[in-house]
Amino acid sequence: KQEVTQIPAALSVPEGENLVLNCSFTDSAIYNLQWFRQDPGKGLTSLLLIQSSQREQTSGRLNASLDKSSGRSTLYIAASQPGDSATYLCAVAGNAGNMLTFGGGTRLMVKP
Amino acid sequence: ETGVTQTPRHLVMGMTNKKSLKCEQHLGHNAMYWYKQSAKKPLELMFVYSLEERVENNSVPSRFSPECPNSSHLFLHLHTLQPEDSALYLCASSQVSTLYNEQFFGPGTRLTVL
Repeated sequence: KQEVTQIPAALSVPEGENLVLNCSFTDSAIYNLQWFRQDPGKGLTSLLLIQSSQREQTSGRLNASLDKSSGRSTLYIAASQPGDSATYLCAVAGNAGNMLTFGGGTRLMVKP
Repeated sequence: ETGVTQTPRHLVMGMTNKKSLKCEQHLGHNAMYWYKQSAKKPLELMFVYSLEERVENNSVPSRFSPECPNSSHLFLHLHTLQPEDSALYLCASSQVSTLYNEQFFGPGTRLTVL
């Protein structure tokens, strides 16, 4: 059974810092990996999706990497802003992408 | 807006009530999902309807009953729920025939069981 772990569970940084969120998974036989953002009481917004054959994806100030053999992914956020404050969720997909297994999330607070 | 809508956004019900959650996707996708997000647990998949095939998480109690009348609509029928079923219920959709099969989520229904 796939298990996904996110470290740290919570993170507070001053505005402008570059930061890294970590995600690890136990079964390397994945179809893809998605990073999501969730604001309090809201649904999920997809940030980046990395196919199992890819090493990284970039979107604006976000960069996600994938090391499938070691079961790790990182989400790098450059020049953090208060608007980046949210919970960031990592999810891995098996079975042609239908089954997403989520980590517990990292709650990020960026202070002005 | 992600193209996935859910109604109602908030629901309070007693343990003897019967209610239904509705999800609609406007993205032309061929798969839809129900997820449960509890306060102290990671998001967990409850049900999948993909290419008209239903796949379910075996740990979901029978008091939750999904229905997918067509590829754009998904329902979750609720009956005789327990207080521990209080959670945020999220619907998602995807196009399974694409290379990426990226899932798009609705805003969720916040359910409180008294």
